[in-house]
Amino acid sequence: ETGVTQSPTHLIKTRGQQVTLRCSSQSGHNTVSWYQQALGQGPQFIFQYYREEENGRGNFPPRFSGLQFPNYSSELNVNALELDDSALYLCASRSEQGQETQYFGPGTRLLVL
Amino acid sequence: QKEVEQDPGPLSVPEGAIVSLNCTYSNSAFQYFMWYRQYSRKGPELLMYTYSSGNKEDGRFTAQVDKSSKYISLFIRDSQPSDSATYLCAMRRVSGSARQLTFGSGTQLTVLP
Repeated sequence: ETGVTQSPTHLIKTRGQQVTLRCSSQSGHNTVSWYQQALGQGPQFIFQYYREEENGRGNFPPRFSGLQFPNYSSELNVNALELDDSALYLCASRSEQGQETQYFGPGTRLLVL
Repeated sequence: QKEVEQDPGPLSVPEGAIVSLNCTYSNSAFQYFMWYRQYSRKGPELLMYTYSSGNKEDGRFTAQVDKSSKYISLFIRDSQPSDSATYLCAMRRVSGSARQLTFGSGTQLTVLP
């Protein structure tokens, strides 16, 4: 086990709704990244937070937003859900900016109907 | 065209076989190259990473990077049924504050006992 947990494990929403996904990193990991993994695809980088500030973003619209808290937890918020947002959402944490080893959580599977 | 291309498989081999997994990429700025293993309903787990060109060996696993051809490989010797998983290649640039990874689409491997 990586020590990275995510909740909920599964979620069903309807188009237009908003969703909040949560991640709890390992103690001491001050960098967290979020990825979207569509079925049969590799993960796609959404954004990264370092010391509670966003310091990198992939090609995702502003309706994808996040927060990181001092207790090593973080959130991914998605507004105005679209059918194409159905995917596995992964968070990954690491201890310092220079470390290559990112520890992924098991993910939250989101289905948008 | 995707920045990272990976043969999706599926790939099925008998136990004890040598497995070769490959990715090609188009962005010459990529300098760090990783291989992740993802079991069903789990997050990706880092197997190996390599900086720039060359080979790296870890037990039954060998990673090769050929930057001149923009081609990376992962070899698994004496494959075991427990190696059955999806293998994802990933890579990133050196520059930038976020350690943004660009993943391939994954190769699904089944090792038959």
